Amino acid sequence: GQSLEQPSEVTAVEGAIVQINCTYQTSGFYGLSWYQQHDGGAPTFLSYNALDGLEETGRFSSFLSRSDSYGYLLLQELQMKDSASYFCAVRDHGGAAGNKLTFGGGTRVLVKP
Amino acid sequence: ETGVTQSPTHLIKTRGQQVTLRCSSQSGHNTVSWYQQALGQGPQFIFQYYREEENGRGNFPPRFSGLQFPNYSSELNVNALELDDSALYLCASSPNRDWNTQYFGPGTRLTVL
Repeated sequence: GQSLEQPSEVTAVEGAIVQINCTYQTSGFYGLSWYQQHDGGAPTFLSYNALDGLEETGRFSSFLSRSDSYGYLLLQELQMKDSASYFCAVRDHGGAAGNKLTFGGGTRVLVKP
Repeated sequence: ETGVTQSPTHLIKTRGQQVTLRCSSQSGHNTVSWYQQALGQGPQFIFQYYREEENGRGNFPPRFSGLQFPNYSSELNVNALELDDSALYLCASSPNRDWNTQYFGPGTRLTVL
C-alpha cells in the first residue's frame, strides 16, 4: 500500500526558512505534489516534482529524490500568511482500483512575529 | 474563468440517511476527483471521474458512489450514513486526468448525528 510521512507541526518566526520533509512508500511512483491549506479553506496546489532535483517557485521550492523516496518543501522568507497546513501527495497505480492519489497527514506551520 | 464550486456548503444528516453532494468543475476541466477530509487529517481519495467514467477509486465502501455529467459536473452520493462519515468533502477538478495539479473547491461540511 501507500504511505507518506511528514512532521505534524513546525513553528518558526517571520523571515525564517522552514523545510518540510516527506518520505513515501508506494508502488509505480509517478510524482510528488505539494498543497497548502489555510484553516477553513480548500487545498491549493503549490508544486509538483516528477524528476529528481529542485523546483523553485518564488519563495517556495520543492525537492525530490526518487532513489531515497524522499522530498521536501522549502518555505523561505516566511510571512505570517504562510501559517497553514502543508500536504505532500503521491500518485501511483492502484492495480484493479485504477490510479490512486494519497495525501500525507499534513504539516501545520505556525509563523510567529 | 469560474473556479470549482460545491453545494451545499454545510449539511446535517442523521445516521442511516442518504446524501448527495454536488460539484461544478473549473471551466475547461473534464476530470473530477472527490476527497474526504476528517478534522486534522489529510484528504483521503474517494474516486475520480474522467469523461463520465470512473478512473480510479480509493478504499471506500460501495455506499460511496458518484456520477459525472456531460458538462463534467459531478455528484457524490453516500448511502446509509454513519457517524464516521462526518467530514469535509472536497471536490477537485483538473484537465485530462491530470493527477498532479488539482484545483479544489471550498468543500461541503457534512455532519452526521
